[in-house]
Amino acid sequence: EDQVTQSPEALRLQEGESSSLNCSYTVSGLRGLFWYRQDPGKGPEFLFTLYSAGEEKEKERLKATLTKKESFLHITAPKPEDSATYLCAVEGGADGLTFGKGTHLIIQP
Amino acid sequence: DSGVTQTPKHLITATGQRVTLRCSPRSGDLSVYWYQQSLDQGLQFLIQYYNGEERAKGNILERFSAQQFPDLHSELNLSSLELGDSALYFCASSVVLDSQAFFGQGTRLTVV
Repeated sequence: EDQVTQSPEALRLQEGESSSLNCSYTVSGLRGLFWYRQDPGKGPEFLFTLYSAGEEKEKERLKATLTKKESFLHITAPKPEDSATYLCAVEGGADGLTFGKGTHLIIQP
Repeated sequence: DSGVTQTPKHLITATGQRVTLRCSPRSGDLSVYWYQQSLDQGLQFLIQYYNGEERAKGNILERFSAQQFPDLHSELNLSSLELGDSALYFCASSVVLDSQAFFGQGTRLTVV
């Protein structure tokens, strides 16, 4: 059974304080690892797809990396508008995406 | 705006009732997915359709069913509703199988 564990559950940072979110996974045959951002009451918004260990993707202040067992979402010099829940999901042996429960990120001005 | 449209946005209904949630995928997307999101369970995959055919099933209850029509829109039918069915229901679409999925804004279902 595919499993995704995200940590921490919640993170509060000051504006400009860089940090990393973790996504650990177990999957039979990884077809893709996805990062999404979700604002309260809204649908998840696609950020990145990573396919193989060593791959990295960047978008503005976000950078996603992938190893064989985990992925990190690095946030550099975050701004209050980066506050959201960040979801990690894998596509592997199970049908559909298997999501973690997310990291609730708050960036204080 | 992801291009995926879900209606209605909010739905309040009584236990034992039946409701239908509707999803219009992005233009050109052939694959539609349904997910349920509750506070304690996170996002759970329910079912996937590809070009009108059921492709995969996840943790979907027998009281729930779905279909994808020739124009590619999809409907999720929930019957004999229980209090525990209260959740956000999301539809997502992708161009082909196993490609990145774009999510709609969801339907918030409240069963009272």
